[in-house]
Amino acid sequence: SYVLTQPPSVSVAPGKTARVTCAANDIGGKSVHWYQQRPGQAPILIISYNSARPSGIPGRFSGSNSGNTATLIISGVEAGDEADYYCQVWDSTSDPPLYVFGTGTKVTVL
Amino acid sequence: QITLKESGPTLVKPTQALTLTCTFSGFSLTTSGVGVAWIRQPPGEALEWLALIFWDDDKRYSPSLKNRLTISKDIFKNQVVLTMTNMDPVDTATYYCAHRYHSGFDSWGQGTLVTVSS
Repeated sequence: SYVLTQPPSVSVAPGKTARVTCAANDIGGKSVHWYQQRPGQAPILIISYNSARPSGIPGRFSGSNSGNTATLIISGVEAGDEADYYCQVWDSTSDPPLYVFGTGTKVTVL
Repeated sequence: QITLKESGPTLVKPTQALTLTCTFSGFSLTTSGVGVAWIRQPPGEALEWLALIFWDDDKRYSPSLKNRLTISKDIFKNQVVLTMTNMDPVDTATYYCAHRYHSGFDSWGQGTLVTVSS
């Protein structure tokens, strides 16, 4: 099965840039979506198709995807960005195709 | 505006079956391309995709749970139902339904916590 590996935690000072990685074999050939989940809340789609921001998502959130690593970038981190972040792909190479979520990363704002 | 809401029992006994209902608004499951998924999250753990049903009644299941899951839709009630058989304490989780947006999920329900315990 296709496994998406994320670092368990990332710490960042307010105003700095946080980078959350999502590693998998040839993930650059797939479309990656990113979700933010604050404590006790449902996930929210914050990046779709590697780098597109849904309506209402601040420009501080961006994404990239190449080779074996996709990256979520949070610029000018704010206290409200403290949350768990998950990457997700649709693995069309599996039989049958399936949706896969990453292991999740807790972003802590220092 | 798309909204989804999960409903069902909060407590089930081991070996029992779980039936959850997702009631949605803001879209139609008769529109080409539309799908609704079920995703769960054990306490303190990561998200896990379970099943998805498309507008044309095509159904997809997680291979690891395929034998225990059934997903169906009622287009008149705007509902999607998930049944999971032979529940075990490890199935304790918050269960979410979500609207499929291309290959991701752009709208989620609030989730419902299901505890499996005798």
